[in-house]
Amino acid sequence: QKEVEQDPGPLSVPEGAIVSLNCTYSNSAFQYFMWYRQYSRKGPELLMYTYSSGNKEDGRFTAQVDKSSKYISLFIRDSQPSDSATYLCAMDTGRRALTFGSGTRLQVQP
Amino acid sequence: KAGVTQTPRYLIKTRGQQVTLSCSPISGHRSVSWYQQTPGQGLQFLFEYFSETQRNKGNFPGRFSGRQFSNSRSEMNVSTLELGDSALYLCASSLETTETQYFGPGTRLLVL
Repeated sequence: QKEVEQDPGPLSVPEGAIVSLNCTYSNSAFQYFMWYRQYSRKGPELLMYTYSSGNKEDGRFTAQVDKSSKYISLFIRDSQPSDSATYLCAMDTGRRALTFGSGTRLQVQP
Repeated sequence: KAGVTQTPRYLIKTRGQQVTLSCSPISGHRSVSWYQQTPGQGLQFLFEYFSETQRNKGNFPGRFSGRQFSNSRSEMNVSTLELGDSALYLCASSLETTETQYFGPGTRLLVL
């Protein structure tokens, strides 16, 4: 079993929809949680970074961390075609050795 | 502020050869991490350097090595290349005071 599980999708939604992306993990030592967006043939781009359980909002993006359930989520409001990309969750124990989910491919239809 | 830069962007090698990839971190970032991304295995951690010292290492064979220079620039070397080493190699940098890592565009290596 992988330390971080993420549904690979693809996930197809209409423009303007709310998108929910999720990851579960098994390692209780993970303390830092990140979401990256990766366009085809590009490096991952940091979207959100959270340390503690709870919610963090930045523009159209909201990250949720539930350490008791070992579950993290990323919500995208008012999704745009430009949001079409692969979304990767990543976690770290503090060693700067990120463990990534497999990525969810998102397609936002105009 | 300039982002993480990696050179070269594309590389084609044959089995048995060796390759060196270069990474320049964001100015002021002293921690540099390397990752391998393949369709089958996804993104996997290779190693992390700080102040010219390797602090952490992932589960990769000894053919994969790296180093960091006094200006925080880092190089990664893969010796005796195998077909399975074909991948996107990503470098990420971070400040010492945060775990947030910023990635470069990657070097796409094809081993024939």
